[in-house]
Amino acid sequence: AQSVTQLDSHVSVSEGTPVLLRCNYSSSYSPSLFWYVQHPNKGLQLLLKYTSAATLVKGINGFEAEFKKSETSFHLTKPSAHMSDAAEYFCVVSERVNAGNMLTFGGGTRLMVKP
Amino acid sequence: DVKVTQSSRYLVKRTGEKVFLECVQDMDHENMFWYRQDPGLGLRLIYFSYDVKMKEKGDIPEGYSVSREKKERFSLILESASTNQTSMYLCASSLLEVHNEQFFGPGTRLTVL
Repeated sequence: AQSVTQLDSHVSVSEGTPVLLRCNYSSSYSPSLFWYVQHPNKGLQLLLKYTSAATLVKGINGFEAEFKKSETSFHLTKPSAHMSDAAEYFCVVSERVNAGNMLTFGGGTRLMVKP
Repeated sequence: DVKVTQSSRYLVKRTGEKVFLECVQDMDHENMFWYRQDPGLGLRLIYFSYDVKMKEKGDIPEGYSVSREKKERFSLILESASTNQTSMYLCASSLLEVHNEQFFGPGTRLTVL
C-alpha cells in the first residue's frame, strides 16, 4: 500500500524568499509522483511530475522538486515566492491497480505569502 | 484542452435522500475517479473506473456506489445521504498509464441537512 505524508499543514513565507514544501512517501514499487496546486475556489492543477527519468523535475511557475529514493522524499521548492503562489499544495503518489492507476494524496500544505 | 465537467457546483440534500453526482469528460480517457475533499485530509479516493462497466473501490467506498455505462460519463450515487457525507466531491479523468496526470473537474459542494 502506498501513502503520502506532507510534513507541514501550513507554511508562511515572505514574498521574495524561498519556498520549501516537504513530502515523504511510501510505495511498494517505483512510484510516479506529482505535485498539484489548488487556488481558492479553483480546480486542481498539475505543477509537476516525476516518472523515473531525471530526479530533479521542473514544473510550472518556477517550481521544482527533487526525487530522493534513499530518503523517500519529494520536496517542492521555489527560489522566490510570489503573492500569486498562495494556495494549497498536494503531494501525490500513483500506483498501478489492476488495469488502472490509483492516486494517493497527502493531506495538503497551505502556503501563505506575506507582502 | 481536456475538460471535465460536473453536473452541479452546489447541492443541498436532506438526510435519507438518494443523490446522483454526474461527471463527464471529453478527452476519451480510460480512467475516471471520484474523490471527496475534506479540510486537513486532502483528497480521498471513493471509487475509480478504468473501463466501461468496470469499477474499483478506493479508500472510502462505504455509503457510495458508482456507475459507468459510457466511457465519457461516471456517476457517483449516495443511496441514502447522511450528514457525514457533507463534503466537496471532485471528479477526475486520465489516460490509462500510471504516470499520466489526472485532470480534475471544478467540484460539487454537497451539503446534507
